[in-house]
Amino acid sequence: EDKVVQSPLSLVVHEGDTVTLNCSYEVTNFRSLLWYKQEKKAPTFLFMLTSSGIEKKSGRLSSILDKKELFSILNITATQTGDSAVYLCAVAEEETSGSRLTFGEGTQLTVNP
Amino acid sequence: GAGVSQSPRYKVTKRGQDVALRCDPISGHVSLYWYRQALGQGPEFLTYFNYEAQQDKSGLPNDRFSAERPEGSISTLTIQRTEQRDSAMYRCASSFLGLYGYTFGSGTRLTVV
Repeated sequence: EDKVVQSPLSLVVHEGDTVTLNCSYEVTNFRSLLWYKQEKKAPTFLFMLTSSGIEKKSGRLSSILDKKELFSILNITATQTGDSAVYLCAVAEEETSGSRLTFGEGTQLTVNP
Repeated sequence: GAGVSQSPRYKVTKRGQDVALRCDPISGHVSLYWYRQALGQGPEFLTYFNYEAQQDKSGLPNDRFSAERPEGSISTLTIQRTEQRDSAMYRCASSFLGLYGYTFGSGTRLTVV
């Protein structure tokens, strides 16, 4: 059975700290790994990673994938209170059309002022 | 539309009643997905469509759950004879093709009393 495991499940930090969120996976035919940020409403897309070792960066957020060790990390530097959210990791498998995602439980990040 | 639109936002129903949840995907998106998200968990796949064809319904929990997308645009997820364990956030997502433009809606919070 496909599995995505995130750690830690929750994290509380102070503004300005740097955090690293982890995601490990076991899927049959890996295609891509996606990171989402979920606040009150819909999960919003952050990154999609398909190749190993290539860092994707957007402002203070960055992410990288290791397909040999089957994990990804999401880094947030100089955290702000607005970064408080649940961060979801999801994996997509190879398919000829369409893509169902298998999600982890999420990491609840709280950034205190 | 500009985003994935779901209605109603909230639905409270009595046990044993049928409910219909609606999803209006982003215009032009080929693929439409239904997920269910319990509190503190990541979304769990239910079913998906390419155009009007239901490609995979392996995530539907039992035969009380069904979905349709008759004209390849708006989709309805129907739950018959609702039970308390059906209470959850039901999320819809759409994508142009595969993982391209994969976007989630704000969800319908279903509470069965």
